This record gives sequence, C-alpha cells and structure tokens, in this order.
Amino acid sequence: DVKVTQSSRYLVKRTGEKVFLECVQDMDHENMFWYRQDPGLGLRLIYFSYDVKMKEKGDIPEGYSVSREKKERFSLILESASTNQTSMYLCASSISTGWYSYEQYFGPGTRLTVT
Amino acid sequence: DQQVKQNSPSLSVQEGRISILNCDYTNSMFDYFLWYKKYPAEGPTFLISISSIKDKNEDGRFTVFLNKSAKHLSLHIVPSQPGDSAVYFCAASENGSSNTGKLIFGQGTTLQVKP
Repeated sequence: DVKVTQSSRYLVKRTGEKVFLECVQDMDHENMFWYRQDPGLGLRLIYFSYDVKMKEKGDIPEGYSVSREKKERFSLILESASTNQTSMYLCASSISTGWYSYEQYFGPGTRLTVT
Repeated sequence: DQQVKQNSPSLSVQEGRISILNCDYTNSMFDYFLWYKKYPAEGPTFLISISSIKDKNEDGRFTVFLNKSAKHLSLHIVPSQPGDSAVYFCAASENGSSNTGKLIFGQGTTLQVKP
C-alpha cells in the first residue's frame, strides 16, 4: 500500500512565523503535490514537483515555496504566515509515465491555524 | 476559470436509495476522470476512474458514467449506506506529451446518507 505521511496533523502558528510542512511518500513516486482545501473551493494546487529539485507553480503559489531535495520528501514553506493561510493542507504523490495521469495518493492532511 | 465544476454543494439521500453526484467540465482535452471520497480530518481516497474511451465504469456499488458530448460525468452509488457520507470530489486530467500528472479538482459535493 502506498503511504503518504505528513509531519503534523494539527499546527497553530502566529502571524509572521515561518512554517514548514513536510511530506514523505514511500512508493518511489516521481510526482508530488501540495494542495490546500477550503470550504466551497475544493482542492487547489499550490505547487507540484515531477522530479528531485524540480518544482512548478500551481494555481495559488503566492506566499508559498517548496523544496524537494530527495525523491521521497516534498516540503511546503510558508515564508511569513498570514491568517488567510489558515487551511487544511494536503500532500499527494503519483507515478509518472510522461504521458498518462494516474491516481494521486493523499496524506492525512495538516490543519494549520494562523493566529 | 473553473474547468471542473460540481454545482451541487450538498446532497442528502435515504439509506438504501441511489446517490447521484454530478460533475461538469469545460476543457474538451480532458480524457481521464476520477472520483475521490474524503472524510473529515482525513486525506481524500481514490474511489473510481474512467478513461474517455469508455462511457461507463463499475466497481461494486460505485458506477461512473461519462458523457463526452455533454462534458458531464456522474457517480452513482447504489445502494447508499451511512458510511458513504463524505465529501466527494471529481477530478480530470489531460493525457499526452505535456502530461505532468496534474489533476484538476472540482469544489466537492457533501453527501449525507440518512439511516
């Protein structure tokens, strides 16, 4: 079974703090993704990566950065947390064939509250 | 521009009856579609998918129908069970040489199955 783990289930941070969210997958997947989920807005893609050290902006990258130094690990960084970044953050991974999409496997999510 | 739309935010059905969740898309290049289920405080889990070469795919109580001309897909759950109460997301992607593994998600529909 594919396992995607996220470093924290719940996190409370103050405005202006730097926040690191970590994601690890154990299935040697090439692709990794960071989403945020907000009521009524669905899953919105923040950043994704298709290879080590490679990253691409998603639909809402502002205020975020990412790091992928190892294939199994994909980190999301909030440089200076703001209250509008309070959300559920979901990490996912998938295999890559360069042609077809496959289902993404999600971690349990991190509920981040910025006060 | 929302390329994948779930226009019903919520749906309530009686246990044992059929649940029908709908999804519309605007990009005619989409050729792979998925449904995910999400319980509160958990990550989404993959439910069922369909390729554009088919118009129906069935897996136990879950059937997905694809109407390419209408750019519409639906998920049928028969019979519905209280444990099916969750948020359901549809997603779409475009296969091909430019494929990055990205999925475009709808806003989600909250299904409540009443005992």
